[in-house]
Amino acid sequence: GAVVSQHPSRVICKSGTSVKIECRSLDFQATTMFWYRQFPKQSLMLMATSNEGSKATYEQGVEKDKFLINHASLTLSTLTVTSAHPEDSSFYICSAREGPMNEKLFFGSGTQLSVL
Amino acid sequence: GNSVTQMEGPVTLSEEAFLTINCTYTATGYPSLFWYVQYPGEGLQLLLKATKADDKGSNKGFEATYRKETTSFHLEKGSVQVSDSAVYFCALTGSTLGRLYFGRGTQLTVWP
Repeated sequence: GAVVSQHPSRVICKSGTSVKIECRSLDFQATTMFWYRQFPKQSLMLMATSNEGSKATYEQGVEKDKFLINHASLTLSTLTVTSAHPEDSSFYICSAREGPMNEKLFFGSGTQLSVL
Repeated sequence: GNSVTQMEGPVTLSEEAFLTINCTYTATGYPSLFWYVQYPGEGLQLLLKATKADDKGSNKGFEATYRKETTSFHLEKGSVQVSDSAVYFCALTGSTLGRLYFGRGTQLTVWP
């Protein structure tokens, strides 16, 4: 079946550094990518939606200059957490949709980010 | 707005025990409802879904019924196995195709 490969699975970084998370669709073209994050004991919350070749649409309260999303190709989307701070420590997960009318979603395995 | 409230875990059961994980929702319109499962080290996978009131989704022995009157979509399984140990997420669709609203997830551990 379709697979979304997400890397890294776990990252620890110092405050002030930037971290890049990658999601690749391995055997389909991901026209839309959704990025979620989950703080401890809370729900998975949508951060942004990106369509290939377009600027991402961010949810209210998510800083677009801090969470940079690039979806330049149909098989790769990246989320860069710039100047990370301890409050950005969270679980980040991507999901991909193949085609604008396809409701089936494929999820990455998630990235646990810890900022010291 | 849309939201999902899911029973807080962790849930620990012995093999062959009965499982219920509660899920209630608030939504505008008529959303589809889902249960996703995440096994260790893997991505979320769709477990089952229901698209309208009174629909029952089922898969791998798991069931959930879309109850509009109680705005619930509780997950049940009559006899759990060790291999069912995972995190279970309840979710509903938003207006954008593919956009989901999730509960917080429930960790299930099944002991032999």
